[in-house]
Amino acid sequence: EPEVTQTPSHQVTQMGQEVILRCVPISNHLYFYWYRQILGQKVEFLVSFYNNEISEKSEIFDDQFSVERPDGSNFTLKIRSTKLEDSAMYFCASSSRGQSYEQYFGPGTRLTVT
Amino acid sequence: GQQVMQIPQYQHVQEGEDFTTYCNSSTTLSNIQWYKQRPGGHPVFLIQLVKSGEVKKQKRLTFQFGEAKKNSSLHITATQTTDVGTYFCAGPNTGFQKLVFGTGTRLLVSP
Repeated sequence: EPEVTQTPSHQVTQMGQEVILRCVPISNHLYFYWYRQILGQKVEFLVSFYNNEISEKSEIFDDQFSVERPDGSNFTLKIRSTKLEDSAMYFCASSSRGQSYEQYFGPGTRLTVT
Repeated sequence: GQQVMQIPQYQHVQEGEDFTTYCNSSTTLSNIQWYKQRPGGHPVFLIQLVKSGEVKKQKRLTFQFGEAKKNSSLHITATQTTDVGTYFCAGPNTGFQKLVFGTGTRLLVSP
């Protein structure tokens, strides 16, 4: 069964450093998303991406964040200058038909900012 | 902005007991989705409800979408230890652009 993959599974970084989280969505999906989940809390939407551009972003997704689909398979989330409060689990998800439909989540990257 | 609340936050049941989580949105939803997240895992899609008053069943799980399309419930009959996890409802915001997750209900089942 096709699945979304994410690397790395855990990333530790120092405050102020840049990190890039990588995702490989399901191959025939067209809609891609990033969510984050602070430990023990709900899943929060960050950004959606379709047709090589951002379709919506949340208030969390400020200028420190960016997304890119550098090739036909990868989808990345970059945080330019990490803060302590960026520590969370980051999930990538993909969907074949848009946000009103079933989304497939990757296993997540745990980001720890020290 | 749109808020989606779930109650209870946490429930601990004995295996074989029933369990229900309730989901309430501050705005009318075009559809509601339910996801399950096992401890240490990622959200996994369970089901989507679209019609007002719709009821769907998956084995021991029964999902309902309210008549006003602002609330939903998930009922598990005769819980098993494999049901352990956090159950989230989620609905698209009014612009159909983003999926807003509920606050989640964490279920613990003791054998």
